[in-house]
Amino acid sequence: GQQVMQIPQYQHVQEGEDFTTYCNSSTTLSNIQWYKQRPGGHPVFLIQLVKSGEVKKQKRLTFQFGEAKKNSSLHITATQTTDVGTYFCAPGSSASKIIFGSGTRLSIRP
Amino acid sequence: DGGITQSPKYLFRKEGQNVTLSCEQNLNHDAMYWYRQDPGQGLRLIYYSQIVNDFQKGDIAEGYSVSREKKESFPLTVTSAQKNPTAFYLCASAKDRSSSTEAFFGQGTRLTVV
Repeated sequence: GQQVMQIPQYQHVQEGEDFTTYCNSSTTLSNIQWYKQRPGGHPVFLIQLVKSGEVKKQKRLTFQFGEAKKNSSLHITATQTTDVGTYFCAPGSSASKIIFGSGTRLSIRP
Repeated sequence: DGGITQSPKYLFRKEGQNVTLSCEQNLNHDAMYWYRQDPGQGLRLIYYSQIVNDFQKGDIAEGYSVSREKKESFPLTVTSAQKNPTAFYLCASAKDRSSSTEAFFGQGTRLTVV
């Protein structure tokens, strides 16, 4: 199945600062999904990107899919304490199984 | 309400005992998945099923078994062969076997083996 590297593993920011996590693949992806898992909770679907160069926004969150469809990023503008959690990417797989990146854990100093 | 339900939320077992974790969904989804999550770690795929009476091993299937006798149910058995069974177990479902459908997760079961 598709394997991706997600960086950074951890990010600790001051509330109000921006945050970005990256998901990188050595092969071309058909699509990529992003999920958020709050501490002690379960992952929740955020968005799916399909097209080359696609950019989608959800309030303070901006998701991008690279032109070559090998990388993706999630950027949060002006973080809030509610953004705390772990963000996972999940590349589309021809094997029809859902595999997740290792995740980026975001913590925030109030 | 439609959703995916895992039970129990917390489970304690003695070492050497088999234990079965329940996962039920009423979303009419074809695909179901089991993941294991260790503290501070990512999600590792144990088993997945794309259709009733069929399932495939994921990356860490050793010491686990599953069944898919009904579309809405995908129970996971943690056997005594699993060396380190203490973990957070998450069940998920998706509409179909396509890679472009989002996954819906249950609340998870925290298994502690003593």
